[in-house]
Amino acid sequence: DAGVTQSPTHLIKTRGQQVTLRCSPKSGHDTVSWYQQALGQGPQFIFQYYEEEERQRGNFPDRFSGHQFPNYSSELNVNALLLGDSALYLCASSLSSGEHNSPLHFGNGTRLTVT
Amino acid sequence: DAKTTQPPSMDCAEGRAANLPCNHSTISGNEYVYWYRQIHSQGPQYIIHGLKNNETNEMASLIITEDRKSSTLILPHATLRDTAVYYCIVDRGSTLGRLYFGRGTQLTVWP
Repeated sequence: DAGVTQSPTHLIKTRGQQVTLRCSPKSGHDTVSWYQQALGQGPQFIFQYYEEEERQRGNFPDRFSGHQFPNYSSELNVNALLLGDSALYLCASSLSSGEHNSPLHFGNGTRLTVT
Repeated sequence: DAKTTQPPSMDCAEGRAANLPCNHSTISGNEYVYWYRQIHSQGPQYIIHGLKNNETNEMASLIITEDRKSSTLILPHATLRDTAVYYCIVDRGSTLGRLYFGRGTQLTVWP
């Protein structure tokens, strides 16, 4: 039973560039959430996708966008990269029809470095 | 906004019980207490959650006070592999996806 997988594991980009990160949810899960974790901080919620639509959004600018595909996998896109976007980007999945108190399952993240 | 308060760091001898406290004085009646941990360079891992009763699973025990304003995560026999940042989170239901993580407690287990 594959857990949440993310790719790539590491990425180096230059300021102003654009980046796409990918996530495959745990088998059977249909909802994907993205988090940003700066060094020394806890993860911060970016947004959540369900039924190929953004359902919730945290306090992140429009430079951060996403997509969910019919197979429930998801992409996170960040445009016009800033140095401050350097962080670990985490994907978490869940089942919308599951018990509402069921836990999230996280991937091991993509480490993005902006130079 | 994080609704919990945790000590920034704790340590524990290997084989001893690790007791990690968490204050959540503003918890609502329909909010659960969740614990996740994050080992270095990995994603957060779910440990346990509860509403009002104490809970136990193969990883840990969760003790919630009667007034629900605080809780303690207990790792009964800590090992070196339990060294991680432990996050205490209160939420109505984590499948809603939007969890508020604070800075957590860095637990260091020493040999």
